[in-house]
Amino acid sequence: QSVLTQPPSASGTPGQRVTISCSGSSSNIGSNTVNWHQQLPGTAPKLLIYGNNQRPSGVPDRFSGSKSGTSASLAISGLQSEDEADYYCAAWDDSLHGPVFGGGTKLTVL
Amino acid sequence: EVQLLESGGGLVQPGGSLRLSCTASGFTFRSYAMSWVRQAPGKGLEWVSGVSGSATDTYYADSVKGRFTISRDNSKNTLYLQMNSLRADDTAMYYCAKEGGVTPMWGTDNWGQGTRVTVSS
Repeated sequence: QSVLTQPPSASGTPGQRVTISCSGSSSNIGSNTVNWHQQLPGTAPKLLIYGNNQRPSGVPDRFSGSKSGTSASLAISGLQSEDEADYYCAAWDDSLHGPVFGGGTKLTVL
Repeated sequence: EVQLLESGGGLVQPGGSLRLSCTASGFTFRSYAMSWVRQAPGKGLEWVSGVSGSATDTYYADSVKGRFTISRDNSKNTLYLQMNSLRADDTAMYYCAKEGGVTPMWGTDNWGQGTRVTVSS
């Protein structure tokens, strides 16, 4: 049982816009910034979004993040087949004194 | 370019020990916190342990507290994880992770390729 809650799966067709939610509490998302990581099949994770809504260099602007209260969202517009991956949200937890991850959302491009 | 290269994984019997290493390059190692994050087969990511840039502060998940010890040698740009009293549920890919600041609060911004640990008799 992960501290941050994500839907286990999401899907969309090429060109569509999909969103993935991440729900937490006042001790994590409510008081700290959220990062999102992308894990392509068989590879290590890669940072996708940091500081709630900032993209590292090289990440397409099709990817965007937002946060409101104790929840966060990742949006992917203009969906492409290469976006098929697992997506994880993460945030520091003040009560646990460590970072916590969501359980991951498997994105399928139909 | 940030590079993180893990080593030391392998097959170990329950109750045994293993020491993981992570050699870093491409950034000022001592200026950043580092963490270990693991992923059991077919499961999600689980943070294991973190250490501040100066090595003065260490952090552990409850699941490994008292069994694992994180350390770093800033003169060698190397991060370590000493794992004792290993259990079957420690079986996972272990990733070395660079944090975005001097403490793990900043969040991971770079990942290694991982080293696999299998605990089995």
